[in-house]
Amino acid sequence: QVTLRESGPALLKPTQTLTLTCSFSGFSLTSTGMCVNWVRQPPGKAPEWLARIDWDDDKYYSTSLQTRLTISKDTSRNQVVLRLTNVDPADTATYYCARTLTMAAGGNGAFDPWGLGTLVTVSS
Amino acid sequence: LLTQSPGTLSLSPGERATLSCRASESVKSTNLAWYQQKPGQAPRLLIYAASSTATGVPDRFSGSGSGRDFTLTISRLEPDDFAIYYCQQYGRTPITFGQGTRLEIK
Repeated sequence: QVTLRESGPALLKPTQTLTLTCSFSGFSLTSTGMCVNWVRQPPGKAPEWLARIDWDDDKYYSTSLQTRLTISKDTSRNQVVLRLTNVDPADTATYYCARTLTMAAGGNGAFDPWGLGTLVTVSS
Repeated sequence: LLTQSPGTLSLSPGERATLSCRASESVKSTNLAWYQQKPGQAPRLLIYAASSTATGVPDRFSGSGSGRDFTLTISRLEPDDFAIYYCQQYGRTPITFGQGTRLEIK
């Protein structure tokens, strides 16, 4: 069974750096085609994709946030870490991680499953 | 850019729901998904590759479309289906979501 769980601070002050960890089980990020995405969703709004890291360490970022985002993986601990620098109240959202298995590797390419999410509030 | 319509759809249980997702540029059918989200929950994959049903999803959910226009159809609404639905293209980065359609009980 594939599961993902997000963890990180619930409250941050403006200008701080947000560090989130996605801990997963049921798959290995060393397997060809495996990817982990980060998505956020401000209250009452649509999901927004942030970043993806692939089994081969390729990384992809949201165009609007790429200067503030860093994604990395620790395959020995089955974790993916997302860092967002210089946070602002507009970064207040529930942050999710979700797995992708690429179509080339026999998956469907979509986000499945997702973690439960973690709410991050940025406020002074 | 993915634009979903309508923004809100008010229907009764047993009725048929048709939700639309229009892309600003052509999307390969293999790269279009639909998700269901209920309050306080993460999105759940319903449909991938425009028309393939994800594991465990009831067969009253179906997807269709190609190019710029895609549709999610729920054949006979059940009380559990009232939620927000999002389309997503995952063929190229940045991956994008539509703004959602809220399906509410009439």
